Amino acid sequence: EPEVTQTPSHQVTQMGQEVILRCVPISNHLYFYWYRQILGQKVEFLVSFYNNEISEKSEIFDDQFSVERPDGSNFTLKIRSTKLEDSAMYFCASSGGSIPYNEQFFGPGTRLTVL
Amino acid sequence: GESVGLHLPTLSVQEGDNSIINCAYSNSASDYFIWYKQESGKGPQFIIDIRSNMDKRQGQRVTVLLNKTVKHLSLQIAATQPGDSAVYFCAESGGSYIPTFGRGTSLIVHP
Repeated sequence: EPEVTQTPSHQVTQMGQEVILRCVPISNHLYFYWYRQILGQKVEFLVSFYNNEISEKSEIFDDQFSVERPDGSNFTLKIRSTKLEDSAMYFCASSGGSIPYNEQFFGPGTRLTVL
Repeated sequence: GESVGLHLPTLSVQEGDNSIINCAYSNSASDYFIWYKQESGKGPQFIIDIRSNMDKRQGQRVTVLLNKTVKHLSLQIAATQPGDSAVYFCAESGGSYIPTFGRGTSLIVHP
């Protein structure tokens, strides 16, 4: 069964450093998303991506964040200068079909720890 | 240092019982609702969805009920199994399609 994969599973970084979180969505999906979940809290939407551009983004997704689909398979989230409060689980998701947000498939997540 | 997070509501049931997990949503303009299951160390897993033009939808062992009048959503799991133990949360979205997730309910199934 096709699945969304994410690497690395755990990333430790120093405050102020740049990190890139990587995702490989399900191959025939058209919509891609990033979410984050701070320990013990709700899952929060960050951004959605369709047709090689951002389609929606939340208030959390400020200028420190960027997304890219550098090739036909990868979807990345970059945080330019990490802050302590960026520590969280980051989930990538993808969905197919013509309706955004219809049955999103989530990856296992990357745990980001900012020291 | 210690982080302060939300204390999740917990539902404990015996194996074989039916479970009902409730969710109150906030936006009366929301027209699409989803239930997710999140097992420890994993990403959320889609269970079932419902659109606002319906009040009930059934899947395999799960039923979602939507009451738009009181902005309430419920997930019913029939014959709950130990493998159903997880955190369940609802999400709502409206015209902007940005999903808003609820706080989650921890379901514990005792064998």
